[in-house]
Amino acid sequence: GNSVTQMEGPVTLSEEAFLTINCTYTATGYPSLFWYVQYPGEGLQLLLKATKADDKGSNKGFEATYRKETTSFHLEKGSVQVSDSAVYFCALYKAAGNKLTFGGGTRVLVKP
Amino acid sequence: DAGVTQSPTHLIKTRGQQVTLRCSPKSGHDTVSWYQQALGQGPQFIFQYYEEEERQRGNFPDRFSGHQFPNYSSELNVNALLLGDSALYLCASSLAGGSLNEQFFGPGTRLTVL
Repeated sequence: GNSVTQMEGPVTLSEEAFLTINCTYTATGYPSLFWYVQYPGEGLQLLLKATKADDKGSNKGFEATYRKETTSFHLEKGSVQVSDSAVYFCALYKAAGNKLTFGGGTRVLVKP
Repeated sequence: DAGVTQSPTHLIKTRGQQVTLRCSPKSGHDTVSWYQQALGQGPQFIFQYYEEEERQRGNFPDRFSGHQFPNYSSELNVNALLLGDSALYLCASSLAGGSLNEQFFGPGTRLTVL
C-alpha cells in the first residue's frame, strides 16, 4: 500500500537558520505530493504541492522538489522565522484511492 | 468565503457513549472526507462522502459511520466509544473532479474519551 515516511522531530533551530525536513514515499505510479502545516491548536493548511516528477512546489519561502528516482519530496526553507514553528506533514494523493496518506509529522521549533 | 467549519470544537465523553461530529464544507465543494489524528501522529483517513454516499473507507471499524446531507454538510458518528478514540477529528472538503482533488481542512474537533 501507499506510505509516507518523514524524519522524526522535534527539529530545533535558531532564527534565520536553514531548514530541511526529509520525506520519502512508497506508492505505485505517480502520486501527487503535498506538504501541510499545522500551527498549534489549528487544523491543516496546505503549504505546497507537486503533481509530477521534477515539479517544484513553493510557497512562503518553502520549497520541495518531486524526485521520482529517489521517491522523495524534501521540504526546505533558507531562513526560518519564529512564526514557522509548527508541525509539518508530508502527504501523497492517488486518484485511485481518492484519499490523502500522511506521514507522521515533524515538529519544528524556531528559537529567537 | 467561509472555509470548512466543524462543530463542536471540543467534546468530552465517557467510554461506551456515542458521539456526533459535524462538518460544513467550503462553499462550492461537494465532497467531504474525515480523518482521525491521534496525538503526535499524522491524520488517518476514515471515510469520504460524495453525493450522500460513502465512496471510500479507510481501516476503521463499523463503529465509525457517517452521513452527508443534500447541502453537502456531513456528520461523523462514533458508537461505543473507546479510550483509543480520543483524537482530533478533521474534516476536509474538496470538489469531485477538481484539480488534484485538493482538500481543504477544517480546524478539527478534539474528542476526549474518559
